[in-house]
Amino acid sequence: AQKVTQAQTEISVVEKEDVTLDCVYETRDTTYYLFWYKQPPSGELVFLIRRNSFDEQNEISGRYSWNFQKSTSSFNFTITASQVVDSAVYFCALSENEPSNTGKLIFGQGTTLQVKP
Amino acid sequence: AAGVIQSPRHLIKEKRETATLKCYPIPRHDTVYWYQQGPGQDPQFLISFYEKMQSDKGSIPDRFSAQQFSDYHSELNMSSLELGDSALYFCASSWGQDGYTFGSGTRLTVV
Repeated sequence: AQKVTQAQTEISVVEKEDVTLDCVYETRDTTYYLFWYKQPPSGELVFLIRRNSFDEQNEISGRYSWNFQKSTSSFNFTITASQVVDSAVYFCALSENEPSNTGKLIFGQGTTLQVKP
Repeated sequence: AAGVIQSPRHLIKEKRETATLKCYPIPRHDTVYWYQQGPGQDPQFLISFYEKMQSDKGSIPDRFSAQQFSDYHSELNMSSLELGDSALYFCASSWGQDGYTFGSGTRLTVV
């Protein structure tokens, strides 16, 4: 069965600290997609990244970076030099099919990140 | 760029009433998904439609039904509302490499 685990329920850091959000997934399929979403207090789900199972290259986008390791079934997310505006709930999610078909997303429990000034 | 449009943004209903949520996907997106997010919970998949046909079903109560129309918009109908139905309801749409885009959600409060 598919499963996504975000073991960190809440993380609190001081501005400018680096922070890593962990995500571990379970799936039997060889083809799957992994996502990260940000949910600020306003409630919308903001897309951050999608990675397919055949692409293990790490990705960097500004202060955000992602480390995908199939060997440990992990897809961790790091924010460098955190800012107060990064405060939100972050969800990791797994889809086992092309998103264009029956690709429902299985979400992790979410990690609440609080960045203090 | 056009996004996924959900209406209404907020809805207050009384117990046992009926609610209808609407979703307008991104143009040319052929798949629509509905999710329910209770307070402090992660989003849970309810149902999806591909080319106007139901393609997958999650833990959707029998009191809920949904459909996708010829113009690809989708509606989620909820009857005999219960207090526990209070949640954020998200719609998402996708098409091939365009991936997954969520709407801003409808916050349903049942009183």
